[in-house]
Amino acid sequence: GDSVTQMEGPVTLSEEAFLTINCTYTATGYPSLFWYVQYPGEGLQLLLKATKADDKGSNKGFEATYRKETTSFHLEKGSVQVSDSAVYFCALRGPKAAGNKLTFGGGTRVLVKP
Amino acid sequence: EPEVTQTPSHQVTQMGQEVILRCVPISNHLYFYWYRQILGQKVEFLVSFYNNEISEKSEIFDDQFSVERPDGSNFTLKIRSTKLEDSAMYFCASTSWGQNTGELFFGEGSRLTVL
Repeated sequence: GDSVTQMEGPVTLSEEAFLTINCTYTATGYPSLFWYVQYPGEGLQLLLKATKADDKGSNKGFEATYRKETTSFHLEKGSVQVSDSAVYFCALRGPKAAGNKLTFGGGTRVLVKP
Repeated sequence: EPEVTQTPSHQVTQMGQEVILRCVPISNHLYFYWYRQILGQKVEFLVSFYNNEISEKSEIFDDQFSVERPDGSNFTLKIRSTKLEDSAMYFCASTSWGQNTGELFFGEGSRLTVL
């Protein structure tokens, strides 16, 4: 079945540091890929997405490129801020997923210190 | 901005008790979901619901679980007889008809602790 593996946290960084969170997936066919973010005390929010190979999703300074050859969708940000402290979830929706069902990774907690 | 709301934010219950978690999805949405996350583990799909019936459920969603949309606005998850391993954060989500983009709108979650 479909699965998502992402690096375990917590990841602790200083402000303005470069952030990478690795995500790899297993799926049949060509899934759509997503990053969701959960800020403290809030629900999961869509951060960015990519629906086909080589697409780059971007939002709020974050980027991720859909790499079919390495089955990866790593999240990057060039200069993090304290406000980026959150839990980040990589997810996929398989091409035959009924009703938008998503498969999530385990989440990576990111803590950005001033 | 419309949002998905969940109650309670935290519930503590004794093993064997029934629990109902409540969700109010975004008003024009038609697909509804429950996910859960056991502490330190993955966010897992439980069930999807459309047109007043379950459209898909996972192997986790056994006979102890049920969902209902009793009044056109609430969407509930009932656990009939809770077990220790049901302790988790439960997330409700919704999306609108035709929006097959994968963007689900999630609530803040209900933390269930079973003692």
